[in-house]
Amino acid sequence: AQKVTQAQTEISVVEKEDVTLDCVYETRDTTYYLFWYKQPPSGELVFLIRRNSFDEQNEISGRYSWNFQKSTSSFNFTITASQVVDSAVYFCALIGKNSGNTPLVFGKGTRLSVIA
Amino acid sequence: GAGVSQTPSNKVTEKGKYVELRCDPISGHTALYWYRQSLGQGPEFLIYFQGTGAADDSGLPNDRFFAVRPEGSVSTLKIQRTERGDSAVYLCASSLAGASGYTFGSGTRLTVV
Repeated sequence: AQKVTQAQTEISVVEKEDVTLDCVYETRDTTYYLFWYKQPPSGELVFLIRRNSFDEQNEISGRYSWNFQKSTSSFNFTITASQVVDSAVYFCALIGKNSGNTPLVFGKGTRLSVIA
Repeated sequence: GAGVSQTPSNKVTEKGKYVELRCDPISGHTALYWYRQSLGQGPEFLIYFQGTGAADDSGLPNDRFFAVRPEGSVSTLKIQRTERGDSAVYLCASSLAGASGYTFGSGTRLTVV
């Protein structure tokens, strides 16, 4: 079974602060994919990143960066110099691949509020 | 189409009524997924189609829920004898295959009164 845990329910930061959203996953699959999605107040889920289990290199995209560590089963997401527009609910998610195409499993999300 | 389209965007129904929620995936996407998102929760998997067939319906909560995708494109989620606990946002997503990133629709907010 796959499981994703986002221990932080809500985080509030002041604009321009850096913030890290934690994600811990559980899977017995040796091949899997990890994702982050953003859900702004409008409600749609916006894809941010996909990382496969064989690629532990960290990734940076503008103010966003992701730290994947298989040793701790974590896939944390950092926003540098946060902005008000970053306010949203962020979901970490997982697909296991050993048994074919299992569906995407989501964590419960972390609500980020960035205050001006 | 350019994105995943879900209709209606909002649906209010009385307890005990039957409802249908529609999803129009991205053209060419063979995989289609239905999720349910309750307030303050992450999306929970309901059912997954590969083509016309339901490849995995393990997330459907009970036999009041049913979904079809007769021509491998548009899908309809059907809920019989609705209950207040069915109130949630129902999300549809499509993908080309496998673990490629899902594209989600804007959802249908179902309210059962």
